[in-house]
Amino acid sequence: NAGVTQTPKFRVLKTGQSMTLLCAQDMNHEYMYWYRQDPGMGLRLIHYSVGEGTTAKGEVPDGYNVSRLKKQNFLLGLESAAPSQTSVYFCASRESGLNTDTQYFGPGTRLTVL
Amino acid sequence: DQQVKQNSPSLSVQEGRISILNCDYTNSMFDYFLWYKKYPAEGPTFLISISSIKDKNEDGRFTVFLNKSAKHLSLHIVPSQPGDSAVYFCAASSGYSTLTFGKGTMLLVSP
Repeated sequence: NAGVTQTPKFRVLKTGQSMTLLCAQDMNHEYMYWYRQDPGMGLRLIHYSVGEGTTAKGEVPDGYNVSRLKKQNFLLGLESAAPSQTSVYFCASRESGLNTDTQYFGPGTRLTVL
Repeated sequence: DQQVKQNSPSLSVQEGRISILNCDYTNSMFDYFLWYKKYPAEGPTFLISISSIKDKNEDGRFTVFLNKSAKHLSLHIVPSQPGDSAVYFCAASSGYSTLTFGKGTMLLVSP
């Protein structure tokens, strides 16, 4: 099992450009999440999904859109990138049982917006 | 308002000694707590967790203590090893939905 994978690993954008980050998991998890990590800020939740076809806003959703068309994939889109979106983005997933809240993370995507 | 606080940005410990990482929370609805470990250029990896119905959970060298009345939890690593050098994140949830993370503590274990 590959676990949680993220594509791409690195990307440099110019202000105003758009891009999509792809997250894939092969653990048949219902829940998926997108976070951003900035220096001194910890991990902040952008959007999440509790199942195929559903999405919800997290703590810092502005400037991002997401889609969960397939259970194993969760896409994060930036329609018009801004320098403030320079960050490391992490995807995570977890199973839906009530006895655990353990999330499994991907390796991250480092995005720079010039 | 920060609901999960890790007030020590860094901690240095000698190999073989105990490392104690602390975490405070303000939301009394949190009922599940986790610790994640993160190496540079990698994603966070789950380390250990504790439910609010317990006050201690142990897994090998790692023990998490929860003091609900003080809204405080701590991670003890005994004995500390150089490979434990990483950033440690405390996280909390209520109702098994989303996690709220602290800002992290960088642990450096020197030989």
